[in-house]
Formats: sequence, structure tokens, C-alpha cells
Amino acid sequence: GNSVTQMEGPVTLSEEAFLTINCTYTATGYPSLFWYVQYPGEGLQLLLKATKADDKGSNKGFEATYRKETTSFHLEKGSVQVSDSAVYFCALSARGYSTLTFGKGTMLLVSP
Amino acid sequence: DTGVSQDPRHKITKRGQNVTFRCDPISEHNRLYWYRQTLGQGPEFLTYFQNEAQLEKSRLLSDRFSAERPKGSFSTLEIQRTEQGDSAMYLCASSLASSEAYEQYFGPGTRLTVT
Repeated sequence: GNSVTQMEGPVTLSEEAFLTINCTYTATGYPSLFWYVQYPGEGLQLLLKATKADDKGSNKGFEATYRKETTSFHLEKGSVQVSDSAVYFCALSARGYSTLTFGKGTMLLVSP
Repeated sequence: DTGVSQDPRHKITKRGQNVTFRCDPISEHNRLYWYRQTLGQGPEFLTYFQNEAQLEKSRLLSDRFSAERPKGSFSTLEIQRTEQGDSAMYLCASSLASSEAYEQYFGPGTRLTVT
């Protein structure tokens, strides 16, 4: 079946530090990949997506590259801000299916 | 605001009672999904509709759960004879069937507490 594995949190960084949150997946065929973010007290927001191998999704300074050979979709940001503190979820939808399979989420805490 | 809305935002009920949640999707979206999220976990798929047709149900969806989308617009999720294990955040999302990646847009959720 389909599954997503994320690094466990919390990830604690100082402002302006470099961020990487690892995500690997198992799926039949070539899924679409997503990162969602959940700020405290709010719903899930789509952060970025990639639909095929070597695609790079980007938004608000965050980037992730679809790596077929390593079945990975790691989230990166060059310089985090306190306002980036949230829970980040990696997710996939298998080719031809629209339902999402999520990882457990990684909490990011950024201190000034 | 034209995002996905859910009502109520919080519901506290006693074990054995029935509860019903409502979701209003983004108006032009024809797909509507329900997910459940427990503390420290990612959302888990429950069911989804395209227009008024319920196309898929997860094995997580016991026979105490029923969902409807009668006119292809809003949807309701009912839980009968609630159990403490039903305590969770219930999330609704919507998408366009024609979009490339079926990217889904989520509502704020309904937090259910069963006492």
C-alpha cells in the first residue's frame, strides 16, 4: 500500500537557520507529492506540490524536489522565520487516485 | 472568504449520542473529502464524493459513520452511538476533479470530544 514517512520532531531552530525536513514515500507507480502546513489553531494549508520526477515545488521560500530514485520529497528553506513555526505534513496521492496519504507530521519550532 | 467551511468547530458529546457535522466546500469544487486526524498523527482518509456520488469509503469508516452530499454542494458526516475512540479532529477538503494533481483545500476542522 501507499505510505509516507517523515522525520520525527520537534525540529528546533534559531531564526535564519537552514531547514530540512525529510520525507520518503512508498507508492505504486508515480504519485503526486505535496507538503501541507498547519499553523497553531488553523487548518491544513497546501504549501507546495510536485507531480512528476525531478519537478521542484516552491512557495514562500520553501522548496522540495521530487526524487524518484530515492523516493523522497524533502522540504527545505534557506532561512527560517519565527512565523514558520508550525506542523508540516508530507502527503501523496497515487496516480489516478485523488485521496491523500499523509505522514505523521513534523513540528517545527523557530526561536528568535 | 471563499474557502472550505465546517460547522461546528467544536463538539462535546456523551458516549452513545449521535453527532452530525457539516462541510461547505469551495463553490466550484466538485470533489469533497472527509478525513480524521488524531493527536500526533496525520489525517486519515475516510470517504469522498464527486458531486453527489460517494465514490470511495475507507475501511476506517465503520457502519456507525455515514456521509451524504445530497445536492452535490455541502456534505454532512454523521456518527451514531459515539464512542470515546471517535474523539478526533474531523477535516473536510475539496478539489476540482479536473485539476492535474487533485490538490485539496482543507477546512478548519471540527474537533469532537466524546466523554
